[in-house]
Amino acid sequence: QGHLVQSGAEVRKPGASVKVSCRASGYTFTNHDFSWVRQAPGQGLEWMGWISPSTNNKHYVKKFQGRLIMTTDTSTSTAYMELRSLRSDDAAIYYCARHRESDTWFDSWGQGTLVTVSS
Amino acid sequence: DIQMTQSPSSVSASVGDRVTITCRASQAISSWLAWYQHKPGKAPKLLIYAASSLQSGVPSRFSGSGSGTDFTLTISNLQPEDFAIYYCQQARSFPLTFGGGTKVEIK
Repeated sequence: QGHLVQSGAEVRKPGASVKVSCRASGYTFTNHDFSWVRQAPGQGLEWMGWISPSTNNKHYVKKFQGRLIMTTDTSTSTAYMELRSLRSDDAAIYYCARHRESDTWFDSWGQGTLVTVSS
Repeated sequence: DIQMTQSPSSVSASVGDRVTITCRASQAISSWLAWYQHKPGKAPKLLIYAASSLQSGVPSRFSGSGSGTDFTLTISNLQPEDFAIYYCQQARSFPLTFGGGTKVEIK
């Protein structure tokens, strides 16, 4: 089973950007797609979007379009999520999640990255 | 978008109990449903996929059923390590969506 390790906690001011990384190991990186999921304080899980490392196809939730950029680097087996124009309600734990085979459920997750947005 | 509604939002139970959590989709999703367990400070864990398939390594006391719009997660013989929040997730179409979660608490 794959192992995903995310970058550390970040603190940003409103209007700034944040980029979170997710390094994969233990499997062939291009064989599994990724999604990014976030959890705001006291809230449930929110799916943000999907990226395929093999095709570079992507899909973003409408509410994030224009602010969200997902990329992958196959040379380092790393997925990235960049969120721009941060607002206070973007404060959350952000998770990368590996898709199980060609499905759209997630069999391996990163440990989460806490993003704090505060002036 | 497909809305996922879980019930109850919380349940109190004792070790050894049987717990049932329900998830309803706003439109038919066939068997495109997964269940996750989430503990504070940890990553979510896939328990069930395709509505009733047990993910490798997950104890057999977890089971899932249903298709179409109505789904159930059952935890038989509840263990201390099972106290957590459980989420359903529809995998039928983008945007993928989660239920609001069900907190399983110690009675």
